[in-house]
Amino acid sequence: AQSVTQLGSHVSVSEGALVLLRCNYSSSVPPYLFWYVQYPNQGLQLLLKYTSAATLVKGINGFEAEFKKSETSFHLTKPSAHMSDAAEYFCAVSGRNTPLVFGKGTRLSVIA
Amino acid sequence: GAVVSQHPSWVICKSGTSVKIECRSLDFQATTMFWYRQFPKQSLMLMATSNEGSKATYEQGVEKDKFLINHASLTLSTLTVTSAHPEDSSFYICSASRDGRYNEQFFGPGTRLTVL
Repeated sequence: AQSVTQLGSHVSVSEGALVLLRCNYSSSVPPYLFWYVQYPNQGLQLLLKYTSAATLVKGINGFEAEFKKSETSFHLTKPSAHMSDAAEYFCAVSGRNTPLVFGKGTRLSVIA
Repeated sequence: GAVVSQHPSWVICKSGTSVKIECRSLDFQATTMFWYRQFPKQSLMLMATSNEGSKATYEQGVEKDKFLINHASLTLSTLTVTSAHPEDSSFYICSASRDGRYNEQFFGPGTRLTVL
């Protein structure tokens, strides 16, 4: 079985500040890990994914995430927040042949 | 590449009517399509997985007769909400995979269904 826990349903940062969105996973098989972003009334856009290659994964829009097996974590970071980053972010886990399981999401607000 | 569209983007219907939502892969062939449901301010829940030319596989707790899924071609899957009721109001999102891999899905923009 697989599950994802996103710590913090809402995170607020100032424009230009570091963004850190936390994700911990549980998986009985080698995991594939994902971060998606969702803007209001829109579908999901893939930010980045980990598929057992490099543990530090760089994605779009300046985001990156580090896979830490010892901590079962896959936190998403961005050095400097922009107003356009305000959205809902979902962490998800899957196995090689198992469905995506999503976390409950974290809403990111960016304050000018 | 890998664009998925949904139609309509939003729909309002009366209770008791049926609504069909289309999911299309525009620039690739999708052997597998997935349907998700998202309640307000909540996460996505997988409803069913459909493979082209075969019956959909529904997740536990999803009513097959309520949510009819058809995947008749490699570029089109449809979700029909039959005899819709207000509790079926939700945001429905589809995704498509070229080769059936769960970890290689491309998501559509979603369809907002409101049942009055």
